[in-house]
Amino acid sequence: DAKTTQPPSMDCAEGRAANLPCNHSTISGNEYVYWYRQIHSQGPQYIIHGLKNNETNEMASLIITEDRKSSTLILPHATLRDTAVYYCIVRVWGYGGSQGNLIFGKGTKLSVKP
Amino acid sequence: EAGVTQFPSHSVIEKGQTVTLRCDPISGHDNLYWYRRVMGKEIKFLLHFVKESKQDESGMPNNRFLAERTGGTYSTLKVQPAELEDSGVYFCASSQDRLAGGDTQYFGPGTRLTVL
Repeated sequence: DAKTTQPPSMDCAEGRAANLPCNHSTISGNEYVYWYRQIHSQGPQYIIHGLKNNETNEMASLIITEDRKSSTLILPHATLRDTAVYYCIVRVWGYGGSQGNLIFGKGTKLSVKP
Repeated sequence: EAGVTQFPSHSVIEKGQTVTLRCDPISGHDNLYWYRRVMGKEIKFLLHFVKESKQDESGMPNNRFLAERTGGTYSTLKVQPAELEDSGVYFCASSQDRLAGGDTQYFGPGTRLTVL
């Protein structure tokens, strides 16, 4: 089962920041937080990941709380093309076996509206 | 650089027939994963190759599914015989060698399998 909890859906106005929350209260010290999204029925698309520091790339920013029990994915200027299901996943990085596999939950369906 | 590719994009077969799905990972990626989403369910892990070896096949649903990765390059997933409940979208993902630091999985577009 997924170790994360996300709201099932969110709306965001085009051009505004989209802030997607994720709870992972049972996260272990060696587990990273990963975010993926799935647009329509395409393959999941990697967005960003982090361990405990905030991270930013060309797609998004990831804010992880100090106790690491929750995080927020921020899309700074959402566009209609950002409408998708967003998945927050915790996983061990750099280990073999089943620990490194991605466990998808239901995610958050983000709808960006004009 | 080409991403993960999968073939075919769609397949419609009759119950009892055989289907083979193919995945070509990103060049140089040692790790190859298969996942699937069946109707109304979450995406689920099937198995993981490191080069040509099966690292973890705990997600394979039953012995009607056979995955291979000869030579450590592309992989095939064969379903024989196909059942109605096998319908869904099959995704392949690949990642670099974990020790080298590139452990992020990149997904292909998926193969939509419909069993009638």
